[in-house]
Amino acid sequence: DAKTTQPTSMDCAEGRAANLPCNHSTISGNEYVYWYRQIHSQGPQYIIHGLKNNETNEMASLIITEDRKSSTLILPHATLRDTAVYYCIVRGRRAGTASKLTFGTGTRLQVTL
Amino acid sequence: GAVVSQHPSRVICKSGTSVKIECRSLDFQATTMFWYRQFPKQSLMLMATSNEGSKATYEQGVEKDKFLINHASLTLSTLTVTSAHPEDSSFYICSARGASGGSYEQYFGPGTRLTVT
Repeated sequence: DAKTTQPTSMDCAEGRAANLPCNHSTISGNEYVYWYRQIHSQGPQYIIHGLKNNETNEMASLIITEDRKSSTLILPHATLRDTAVYYCIVRGRRAGTASKLTFGTGTRLQVTL
Repeated sequence: GAVVSQHPSRVICKSGTSVKIECRSLDFQATTMFWYRQFPKQSLMLMATSNEGSKATYEQGVEKDKFLINHASLTLSTLTVTSAHPEDSSFYICSARGASGGSYEQYFGPGTRLTVT
């Protein structure tokens, strides 16, 4: 699975949009981009995933560049409860294989008042 | 979304004893379960992958005789840490993957904090 690069940490004011970047320049055609987050001392929480089109759900939006070498997770109106470590993961979804989620170091997002 | 539970949430055991951690998928059938370990201020490290009814596949460097994994049903997997040592103290997180509500994704439990004294 392709490796990802994320900034170590970011700050965001409450109520503002949080834009978390991720580079995945070695992504291959059948690999998806996944985002999870981990609030302190809890298990990771699934946020969103996408292949090449932009995606939106009730939690966030995912913007993937046309060449698919990078993406941005957008939390439109960050709250203090969004403070967490955010992981960008690239993973294949080949049928019949137990492809694994491999976690990097992630981005520690601190939302402040 | 799909719910994965773990029990216990916290456990303290003495060095040399064994401890079992349970992982359950509550509203879907998990064809594959994963066990991760996380040390303080570090990321999650995959320990092993198991498919229901099959032997677990361990990642390099993880001792299969020390970390016994059983995936006897589509909703339950257990991790037993045998002859625990203080260096086994960590946050253990299970994850389950299966079809739920039309989606086939991987969902995580809340984690179990193991302290070996």
